[in-house]
Amino acid sequence: DAGVIQSPRHEVTEMGQEVTLRCKPISGHDYLFWYRQTMMRGLELLIYFNNNVPIDDSGMPEDRFSAKMPNASFSTLKIQPSEPRDSAVYFCASSLGLLAGGRGETQYFGPGTRLLVL
Amino acid sequence: KQEVTQIPAALSVPEGENLVLNCSFTDSAIYNLQWFRQDPGKGLTSLLLIQSSQREQTSGRLNASLDKSSGRSTLYIAASQPGDSATYLCAVRGNFNKFYFGSGTKLNVKP
Repeated sequence: DAGVIQSPRHEVTEMGQEVTLRCKPISGHDYLFWYRQTMMRGLELLIYFNNNVPIDDSGMPEDRFSAKMPNASFSTLKIQPSEPRDSAVYFCASSLGLLAGGRGETQYFGPGTRLLVL
Repeated sequence: KQEVTQIPAALSVPEGENLVLNCSFTDSAIYNLQWFRQDPGKGLTSLLLIQSSQREQTSGRLNASLDKSSGRSTLYIAASQPGDSATYLCAVRGNFNKFYFGSGTKLNVKP
């Protein structure tokens, strides 16, 4: 398997523009997670899905952020409108399950999307 | 709210040395704890996962221990190599499937 795939790898945009980040999880994984990493706040969980259904979005910072998972192999994180403080590295991760036990609960991370909002 | 702390923030050791990285958490009600490695500009790679009922896990030169009652975990790296240089993060899964990450320890192993 190719692992978790994220696109784009880098995104530079201007304040106010819409940004869409994409993720393809590992095939067969039932859970998908979106994280944000900054120097100031470290790694934060934004939202996670189970079988394409959003389970916990309490980490989503504002209404400007939204996430969807239309099918088992694709998810998007959208920021509209974007602001400079959204600049960060956004990671997508997937796992077999949260109750799978042992290695089944291991999260596999994608390479991340480095977002810069000017 | 669960808080995860990793000390030290950075560590530099000569090649071949055995070392210990520390992780502490404030709420002992956890399901599991994971140790990750992050290389510059890359995503996280899971190294070891310890369930709350376990005391330790081993993989090659790595050994992770968990003392849930005291809110501590350690990652032991034996015979360190320059290739071990990276940032190491610990993460706990708490109640309601909340995930909390430490800020990491940046390890530099000098040849």
